[in-house]
Amino acid sequence: GDSVTQMEGPVTLSEEAFLTINCTYTATGYPSLFWYVQYPGEGLQLLLKATKADDKGSNKGFEATYRKETTSFHLEKGSVQVSDSAVYFCALSGGGADGLTFGKGTHLIIQP
Amino acid sequence: DTEVTQTPKHLVMGMTNKKSLKCEQHMGHRAMYWYKQKAKKPPELMFVYSYEKLSINESVPSRFSPECPNSSLLNLHLHALQPEDSALYLCASSSRVGSGGQETQYFGPGTRLLVL
Repeated sequence: GDSVTQMEGPVTLSEEAFLTINCTYTATGYPSLFWYVQYPGEGLQLLLKATKADDKGSNKGFEATYRKETTSFHLEKGSVQVSDSAVYFCALSGGGADGLTFGKGTHLIIQP
Repeated sequence: DTEVTQTPKHLVMGMTNKKSLKCEQHMGHRAMYWYKQKAKKPPELMFVYSYEKLSINESVPSRFSPECPNSSLLNLHLHALQPEDSALYLCASSSRVGSGGQETQYFGPGTRLLVL
C-alpha cells in the first residue's frame, strides 16, 4: 500500500535559519503530493501541493518539488520565523476514494 | 474561499450521551470526509462520502454514525462512546474523489471531543 515517511523531530531552529523537512513516499501510479500545516489547537491547513512529476508547489515562502526519480517531496524555506512553529504533515493522494495517506508529522520549533 | 466550518469547537460527553458533530462547506465540493486525530499523531480516515453516498467506511465502530443530508453538510452522530474515543475530529472536503488535484482536501478546524 501507499506510505509516506518524514522526519518526526522535534526540529528546533533559530529564527532566519534555512529549513528542510524531508519527505519520501511509496505509491503505485501517479499520486498527488501535499504539505499540510497544523498550528496548536487548530485543524490542518493546506500549505502547498504538486500533482505531477517536476511540479513545484510554493506558498508563504515554502517550496517543495515533486521528484519522481527519488520519490521525494522535501519542504524548504529560506528564512524561518517564530510564527512558522507548528506540525507539518507530508501527504499523498493516490486518486482513489480512500482519502489521504499521511506521514507521522514533523514538529517544528523556531526560537527567537 | 476554501472554508470548511465545524461545530461545536469543543464537546464533553458522558459514555451514555448522544451527540452530533456538524460540518459544512459551500465550495460546491462533492466529496466529504471524517478523520480522527489523536494527540501527536496524523489524522486517520474514518468515512468518505462521494456525491452524498457513503463510499468508504474504514471499519469504524457502529457507535459512530455518519450522515450526509445534502451536498454541503456532513454530520457525525455519536452514541455510547468510550474514553479512548477522545480526540480531535476533523472534517474535510474536496472537489471530488479523483486525481490531478481534484482530490485536494480542505480541512475544517475540528471538534475537540472529550469522553468522560
